[in-house]
Amino acid sequence: AQSVTQPDIHITVSEGASLELRCNYSYGATPYLFWYVQSPGQGLQLLLKYFSGDTLVQGIKGFEAEFKRSQSSFNLRKPSVHWSDAAEYFCAVGAGSGGAQKLVFGQGTRLTINP
Amino acid sequence: NAGVTQTPKFQVLKTGQSMTLQCAQDMNHEYMSWYRQDPGMGLRLIHYSVGAGITDQGEVPNGYNVSRSTTEDFPLRLLSAAPSQTSVYFCASSALLLGEQYFGPGTRLTVT
Repeated sequence: AQSVTQPDIHITVSEGASLELRCNYSYGATPYLFWYVQSPGQGLQLLLKYFSGDTLVQGIKGFEAEFKRSQSSFNLRKPSVHWSDAAEYFCAVGAGSGGAQKLVFGQGTRLTINP
Repeated sequence: NAGVTQTPKFQVLKTGQSMTLQCAQDMNHEYMSWYRQDPGMGLRLIHYSVGAGITDQGEVPNGYNVSRSTTEDFPLRLLSAAPSQTSVYFCASSALLLGEQYFGPGTRLTVT
C-alpha cells in the first residue's frame, strides 16, 4: 500500500533563511505528488503538484519541489522564508484507481519562523 | 463562488448520539471526499464519491455513512458517535481530470 513519510515533525528556521521540508513516498507506479499548507484553524491549500514531466515544479508563494524517483522523494524548498510561512505542511500522494483524487497524507511538518 | 462550505464549525456530542456533517461545493466538481485529521497522523480518507449516486470507502470508513444525491452535496453521517471519533473533519472536492482538491474550513467534533 502507498504511504508517505515526513521525517521532521517540527522545524524552526529564521526569517530570511532557506527551507527544505522532506517527503518520502512509497508507491509502485508513477505517483501523483502534492504539497499542501495549513494555517492554524484553516483548511488546506495546495502549494504545488507533480503529475509528470519536469521534475522541478514551481508553486505558489515562492515554493518549489523536486521529484526524485531514485530516492522516492519530493522535497519542498523555499530560498528565503517569511514570517507568514509559519504553518503546517503536508505532503500527499495520489494513488490507486482514484489516481490523483484518493490522497494519502504524511503526518505533517510544523514550521516555526524565528524573527 | 463560495468554494467548499462545511457546517457546523464546531459540535459537541455525547456518546451514542447521531449527527450529520454537511458539505457543499459550488464548483460543479465530480469528486468529493471526507477526511479526518488527528494530531500526528495527518489526514485520513473516510469516504469519497466520484459523482452523484456513487460512493466508496476510504482508509477509515467504520462508523461513518455517506450518500451523494446531488453533485453539490456530500453529507457525512455518524450513526452512533464514539469518543474515538473526536477529530477535525475536512471535506474536499476536485474536478476529476485535474486532481487539485479544494478543502473546506473543517468541522471540529468532540464526543464525550
